[in-house]
Amino acid sequence: EVLLLESGGGLVQPGGSLRLSCAASGFAFNNYAMGWVRQAPGKGLEWVSAIIGSGDSTYYADSVKGRFTISRDNSKKTLYLQMNSLRAEDTAVYYCAKFPNRDGYNSNFDYWGQGTLVTVSS
Amino acid sequence: QSVLTQPPSVSGAPGQRVTISCTGSSSNIGAGYDVHWYQQVPGTAPKLLIFGNSNRPSGVPDRFSGSKSGTSASLAITGLRAEDEADYYCQSYDSSLSGWGVFGGGTKLTVL
Repeated sequence: EVLLLESGGGLVQPGGSLRLSCAASGFAFNNYAMGWVRQAPGKGLEWVSAIIGSGDSTYYADSVKGRFTISRDNSKKTLYLQMNSLRAEDTAVYYCAKFPNRDGYNSNFDYWGQGTLVTVSS
Repeated sequence: QSVLTQPPSVSGAPGQRVTISCTGSSSNIGAGYDVHWYQQVPGTAPKLLIFGNSNRPSGVPDRFSGSKSGTSASLAITGLRAEDEADYYCQSYDSSLSGWGVFGGGTKLTVL
């Protein structure tokens, strides 16, 4: 069974940093691209970032480019999202999601975690 | 404003058929990128409903179907049931965005 378990969310002040983790199990982690999707309170889904199976290529939404860094440790089967210079508008539930293939290009997410809430407020 | 445009809400009575549109442009749906659909019950994670424009994952009832034409795509739900009440999102890719992926703004389906 595919399981994705996010952690690391919480309350942080504007300008602060936070690192999210997503522990994966039930599949060959290194063979699949992974991504982060967020959802602000009462709002829709927003694609945030993606990384291919090898970790060699990464992609970011313009809204987070230069502030967020996606990475993965295939030996630990864990996906990360380092979030710096956080803003109030980054407040959202952050979902970890799996692609059904190695590069994720033009593809859907087939499995999602339950999400972790990040609140940016003073 | 989302790159992919969906109606904010649709509604239908039990047993009826409803459709949800997803309108894009020549840099996303019109460029040949696939459209995928997700269902999200409030307070829970999204669930994949349709992938590759018209394919259903195992376990998704055949009451749900997807189609794509030109710069738009549609999700159709037949035999509407109370448990279909949820938010629905389309997703595709956009060649003009550095980030790669994009979601529609979402559609709230109300079963009357």
